[in-house]
Amino acid sequence: GAVVSQHPSWVICKSGTSVKIECRSLDFQATTMFWYRQFPKQSLMLMATSNEGSKATYEQGVEKDKFLINHASLTLSTLTVTSAHPEDSSFYICSARDRDTPYEQYFGPGTRLTVT
Amino acid sequence: KQEVTQIPAALSVPEGENLVLNCSFTDSAIYNLQWFRQDPGKGLTSLLLIQSSQREQTSGRLNASLDKSSGRSTLYIAASQPGDSATYLCAVPSGGYNKLIFGAGTRLAVHP
Repeated sequence: GAVVSQHPSWVICKSGTSVKIECRSLDFQATTMFWYRQFPKQSLMLMATSNEGSKATYEQGVEKDKFLINHASLTLSTLTVTSAHPEDSSFYICSARDRDTPYEQYFGPGTRLTVT
Repeated sequence: KQEVTQIPAALSVPEGENLVLNCSFTDSAIYNLQWFRQDPGKGLTSLLLIQSSQREQTSGRLNASLDKSSGRSTLYIAASQPGDSATYLCAVPSGGYNKLIFGAGTRLAVHP
């Protein structure tokens, strides 16, 4: 149980384009989902927290107009990187919190974004 | 502000050794502490979660301890195997159950 999927697993896009990453909880309802970014050989940094049906809360230093987050249902959250630039190239990982076990987060497999 | 530190940053050991990974945190008012494993280019696999009221948790060859008062946790791996090679991350929640603060990780290499 408690499986989180991400799609795509990797994506290459050209500078200036937008790319959407999906995060799904497959076998539980996730009232809250989290988006993390991980640069090579560094740890995970939380970008934003999204609650179903409400606006996401962004961490300090994260541009909300650049990283659009939509949490439209209890099983799906999307992250759209708008007008991507090479410095946005990173590993993006989502996690979801099961409303029945709020103290634990379940992580997706990650999406590798490369902007050329 | 909660900060999580992991020592050592990297570790290379021969197969069969018992080893200890260390995690320290600055704010002892935590609900729990979690250890994760991350393989290269992959997501996170949860290994052990210790609630603040617990002293340790065990899963197979893994044993994690928690000392809240001193702000420390250790992950003990018994009889290490090449398949244990990965990066091990510890994390604590901050601001309730929302934000997880991660350490930088320990990169473990177990060679045959």
